[in-house]
Amino acid sequence: GNSVTQMEGPVTLSEEAFLTINCTYTATGYPSLFWYVQYPGEGLQLLLKATKADDKGSNKGFEATYRKETTSFHLEKGSVQVSDSAVYFCALGRGTDKLIFGTGTRLQVFP
Amino acid sequence: DAGVIQSPRHEVTEMGQEVTLRCKPISGHNSLFWYRQTMMRGLELLIYFNNNVPIDDSGMPEDRFSAKMPNASFSTLKIQPSEPRDSAVYFCASSLQGAPNQPQHFGDGTRLSIL
Repeated sequence: GNSVTQMEGPVTLSEEAFLTINCTYTATGYPSLFWYVQYPGEGLQLLLKATKADDKGSNKGFEATYRKETTSFHLEKGSVQVSDSAVYFCALGRGTDKLIFGTGTRLQVFP
Repeated sequence: DAGVIQSPRHEVTEMGQEVTLRCKPISGHNSLFWYRQTMMRGLELLIYFNNNVPIDDSGMPEDRFSAKMPNASFSTLKIQPSEPRDSAVYFCASSLQGAPNQPQHFGDGTRLSIL
């Protein structure tokens, strides 16, 4: 079946450090891939998405590239800020409205 | 534009009481999802509707949980009777079915505490 695997957190970084959060997936066919972010006390918000192989989604300095050969969609940011502290969810969608979410990775950024 | 609106934001009640959570999806969206989030189990999909019709309720934990969508602009999730293990944050989300690769838009959640 379809599934998403994320690296376990928390990820702890100093401000301006480089961020990578790993996400790999298992799916038949050609899913769409998403990253959502959840700030404390709020619901999930779409951060970026990619709909086909080699697509790069980007938003707010975050990027992720849809790699079909490695079935991955790793989230990266060159210089994190304290305000980026949140929980990040990788998700997969394949032709239906039902998204498959990963377990989430907590990011903590310290000044 | 108004996002997904959930009420109440917080609910504290005693075990055995009936709890009703409410959701207003984004206007024009025709898919609606109920999720539950806990530290132990993470984010779980409970049920989702397309065009007001329940499509998949396999995530509903047991018969104490029920969900309805009487029209395109309103849905409820009911727990009767409630138990302490139902304590969680419950999210509603909506999306536009039929258009490919559409994301889900989440409300801010209802934080439910059963004493």
